[in-house]
Amino acid sequence: EVQLVESGGGLIQPGGSLRLSCAASGFTVSSNYMSWVRQAPGKGLEWVSVIYSGGTTYYADSVKGRFTISRDNSKNTLFLQMNSLRAEDTAVYYCARDPGYRFGYGGMDVWGQGTTVTVSS
Amino acid sequence: DIQMTQSPSSLSASVGDRVTITCRASRSISSNLNWYQQKPGKAPKLLIYAASNLQSGVPSRFSGSGSGTDLTLTISSLQPEDFATYYCQQSSNTPLTFGQGTKVEIK
Repeated sequence: EVQLVESGGGLIQPGGSLRLSCAASGFTVSSNYMSWVRQAPGKGLEWVSVIYSGGTTYYADSVKGRFTISRDNSKNTLFLQMNSLRAEDTAVYYCARDPGYRFGYGGMDVWGQGTTVTVSS
Repeated sequence: DIQMTQSPSSLSASVGDRVTITCRASRSISSNLNWYQQKPGKAPKLLIYAASNLQSGVPSRFSGSGSGTDLTLTISSLQPEDFATYYCQQSSNTPLTFGQGTKVEIK
């Protein structure tokens, strides 16, 4: 079964760090575009970061310089290292797979269940 | 960055109604547009990719059209399970961006 399972969320103080994990099964993480998308309470979806199959990474301006996306191919797992956390980073964080379409992005067709990050003192 | 604006932000409709949601991009995105459905407490679900391609397993009452800056999602005959929030997302350029969402409620 094709599946993504996130973990690592929790309550953290402003300025702290967390590392989110996203374990994949049924497909290979390194063969796809893999993104993190977040959703603040009661708000819409916000794309956070992507890693390409070749390793290229991109970030939303709101997290650039603070968050790092990476993967462990041996564990078929995606990560999001989040540093210098702020209250506005409070959200449910989803990882998602995009298999690509015609040499570019397709759509995010597999999503995890989400992990909640709360930044508060 | 490409801004995505959905309209309407919310709508009330009855079972069996035809529903159209529009997504306007701040500049041309060709056909690089995806549509998602999200129900409360759940992850989004991909409905349409590349503007008009129906994702596997999605009912044929969902369809997408358009290219450039104005694209639409149509539900031909609204069903009880379709009451949800719908998002468009451009995949033309990073940063990838979502519309603000359209909440479809029961009339």
